[in-house]
Amino acid sequence: GAVVSQHPSRVICKSGTSVKIECRSLDFQATTMFWYRQFPKQSLMLMATSNEGSKATYEQGVEKDKFLINHASLTLSTLTVTSAHPEDSSFYICSAIRLAGNTDTQYFGPGTRLTVL
Amino acid sequence: DAKTTQPNSMESNEEEPVHLPCNHSTISGTDYIHWYRQLPSQGPEYVIHGLTSNVNNRMASLAIAEDRKSSTLILHRATLRDAAVYYCILDGSGNTGKLIFGQGTTLQVKP
Repeated sequence: GAVVSQHPSRVICKSGTSVKIECRSLDFQATTMFWYRQFPKQSLMLMATSNEGSKATYEQGVEKDKFLINHASLTLSTLTVTSAHPEDSSFYICSAIRLAGNTDTQYFGPGTRLTVL
Repeated sequence: DAKTTQPNSMESNEEEPVHLPCNHSTISGTDYIHWYRQLPSQGPEYVIHGLTSNVNNRMASLAIAEDRKSSTLILHRATLRDAAVYYCILDGSGNTGKLIFGQGTTLQVKP
């Protein structure tokens, strides 16, 4: 199957700092990627849609100035959590759409565990 | 977005078949039915998807009711590695690709 990677897999930072998370599609090009957040014992919550060459589309309630998304190429999207606070500690997961015939399939990265002290 | 309803949890014995149900009574004609699963501390993994006809792949089978208001994911022989949260999701994105995750079914597999 298609492979999506994330880097780093785990990060610990101090409150007030910014953290960048990378999402790469390794063996296919993805014009669209998605960013999700997952708190313990909860389901995934879609944060935003990242489109190559255009601005990201954020879901309701997600602060675009706090969660900066850049989709610089067909294989890379980055999420920057700016001025991180302890409540931003979560499991961040990206996904990328791979076209296959008439349908799209989303492939997910392994996730990035962010802990803000 | 059309919603799905799944049982919170299910149990199975190792090497026995597992049938995971999903209700989606408000499904529209163009919604694909997708199944993903998530192992602890990992990203979701694609399992299978379908529109109207039953589907088989190396991981599982998807049985779709004739009226499409429900579907069943079938794991033919459960292994301990199949213990995960299984999500049934309707792709009613209008080609945006957005998937909205519900709470899913936590499958426990007993040896």
